[in-house]
Amino acid sequence: NAGVTQTPKFRVLKTGQSMTLLCAQDMNHEYMYWYRQDPGMGLRLIHYSVGEGTTAKGEVPDGYNVSRLKKQNFLLGLESAAPSQTSVYFCASSPPGDRVRKTQYFGPGTRLLVL
Amino acid sequence: DQQVKQNSPSLSVQEGRISILNCDYTNSMFDYFLWYKKYPAEGPTFLISISSIKDKNEDGRFTVFLNKSAKHLSLHIVPSQPGDSAVYFCAASEGGATNKLIFGTGTLLAVQP
Repeated sequence: NAGVTQTPKFRVLKTGQSMTLLCAQDMNHEYMYWYRQDPGMGLRLIHYSVGEGTTAKGEVPDGYNVSRLKKQNFLLGLESAAPSQTSVYFCASSPPGDRVRKTQYFGPGTRLLVL
Repeated sequence: DQQVKQNSPSLSVQEGRISILNCDYTNSMFDYFLWYKKYPAEGPTFLISISSIKDKNEDGRFTVFLNKSAKHLSLHIVPSQPGDSAVYFCAASEGGATNKLIFGTGTLLAVQP
């Protein structure tokens, strides 16, 4: 049971390039989330999904797109990277039936540097 | 406007003593509060939570206290251990079916041996 995994661990992009971050979970969780963490800003929600085929915007969605074609995967795309998107990106998932405790389980993160 | 605030960026405590991490919030509709712990180069891990209808929850060395009238919660770690050195995030749930969380900015705890 690997939990939540993220690919890649680290990436350097040039301004204007595109890339996709992959999140996978093997815990059969319904809900998945993408966050970014910046110094002094805590974790901010980019997009989230409450089930296969559904996505919704979070607090800071601009410049990102997501897709949830399979229950276990949640992809975060940057169509045209900007230096402001330099950050550490975390994926999380939340188990079914945990609508009371609200617990989310996080992946190890992807460090992205946009030059 | 930050709905969840951790006003202390860092805290240093001696091993064996109590660590108290604080968190303030502004939205009285939050229904659940959670604490996460984060080591460098790792993802946050869930530590302890408390429902808005409770005022205390205890799990081993960790206790969370909730003061709804003051919109304040705190995490107590007793006794503190060097392995507790990490960044601690406070998070709050808006309620509803999405399990969305709003995070504070974190407090870096250093436990000195």
